[in-house]
Amino acid sequence: SAVISQKPSRDICQRGTSLTIQCQVDSQVTMMFWYRQQPGQSLTLIATANQGSEATYESGFVIDKFPISRPNLTFSTLTVSNMSPEDSSIYLCSVEGPSGEQYFGPGTRLTVT
Amino acid sequence: RKEVEQDPGPFNVPEGATVAFNCTYSNSASQSFFWYRQDCRKEPKLLMSVYSSGNEDGRFTAQLNRASQYISLLIRDSKLSDSATYLCVVNPDSGYSTLTFGKGTMLLVSP
Repeated sequence: SAVISQKPSRDICQRGTSLTIQCQVDSQVTMMFWYRQQPGQSLTLIATANQGSEATYESGFVIDKFPISRPNLTFSTLTVSNMSPEDSSIYLCSVEGPSGEQYFGPGTRLTVT
Repeated sequence: RKEVEQDPGPFNVPEGATVAFNCTYSNSASQSFFWYRQDCRKEPKLLMSVYSSGNEDGRFTAQLNRASQYISLLIRDSKLSDSATYLCVVNPDSGYSTLTFGKGTMLLVSP
């Protein structure tokens, strides 16, 4: 499976600011995914990012709040904009495996004060 | 009905016990099924895929019943290191790569 890293691993931010999370994969992948896992909850897909095209957002998530970049086949960023305490969560990126499974990065733990 | 539903937890079992987790999914067209394991404050990790014929990996056995839209995971001879949250995951659409996650069932194995 691919090796995936994320930066930062954690951060504490003030409301109204923005944070950009980076996801790096050790091999070229077509699709990358961004999830959110709120405390005590399961994973919720934010968007799917293909290289060279706009990200596809799930219901309840919008580009203005969660802009995504996908400049090449090994890298993506997710920005959490104009943060509020409700954005406190773990943000995870993932890539797809050969049989439809996904492999996850270690996550970014965000706390908004 | 939620898309993927799992047994509520936690399950508290002694070492050596056999424990079974159940999961139901709502979309009958779902094509791919997985069990993931998530340790506290860690990312989910693939435990095993679930095939129509059922599959086994050491102490772990996964089964799929498409008619009942039901998936199960059996863990035999539980170890302390099996303590984690187990996530039932379904790909609801064969033409699209998104996964739907259950809320997870926590397993606590005690000495």
